[in-house]
Amino acid sequence: QVQLQESGPGLVKPSQTLSLTCTVSGGSISSDGSYWSWIRQHPGKGLEWIGYIYYSGSTYYNPSLKSRVTMSVDTSKNQFSLKLSSVTAADTAVYYCARSRSQYYFDSWGQGTLVPVSS
Amino acid sequence: QTVVTQEPSFSVSPGGTVTLTCGLSSGSVSTNNYPSWYQQTPGQAPRTLIYSTNTRSSGVPGRFSGSVLGNNAALTITGAQADDESDYYCVLYMGRGISVFGGGTKLTVL
Repeated sequence: QVQLQESGPGLVKPSQTLSLTCTVSGGSISSDGSYWSWIRQHPGKGLEWIGYIYYSGSTYYNPSLKSRVTMSVDTSKNQFSLKLSSVTAADTAVYYCARSRSQYYFDSWGQGTLVPVSS
Repeated sequence: QTVVTQEPSFSVSPGGTVTLTCGLSSGSVSTNNYPSWYQQTPGQAPRTLIYSTNTRSSGVPGRFSGSVLGNNAALTITGAQADDESDYYCVLYMGRGISVFGGGTKLTVL
């Protein structure tokens, strides 16, 4: 069973770039049909899909966040990453990484990491 | 902008049956949206229940089932138990690499 673990700074200042990394274990990030995803959840709110990246580097982003999101993959480290630029307090959320099968559904989730945006 | 709709809240009696729905602000849900369902309890990551409309994820009890009913995807819990009290989210695949979460349904078992 693949396992995912988010890591990154615990606090980001407004206008800066939020950076998170997800480390995949128990399976290869280069697995066919596996799309690696970021999802966030604002405090007390629902889930929001941020985007997918395939091991080839192909990316797919939520249109509402596309202008600020960059995802990348490092197959040598079995990791993928999220950068969200120009953050505001509205980007304060728990950020989850997850594996998606063929972009159709998510079958493995990280535990999530809370990223506050505050000065 | 596509909006995926879910009932904000629902309640069911222990042992009862409840059907939660997942719809589109414009149009109908079909199996081509590959509806999936997730259960989340406070402070925990979501758990995958159902994918591709009606396939139960490994380890998910048989009381959870998925379907397309009319214009909506549906999650039915038959014989609800106290520990089914959770938030439930659906996801629809909209094509061209875009997925959308519903707003979630808070299910109360009482």
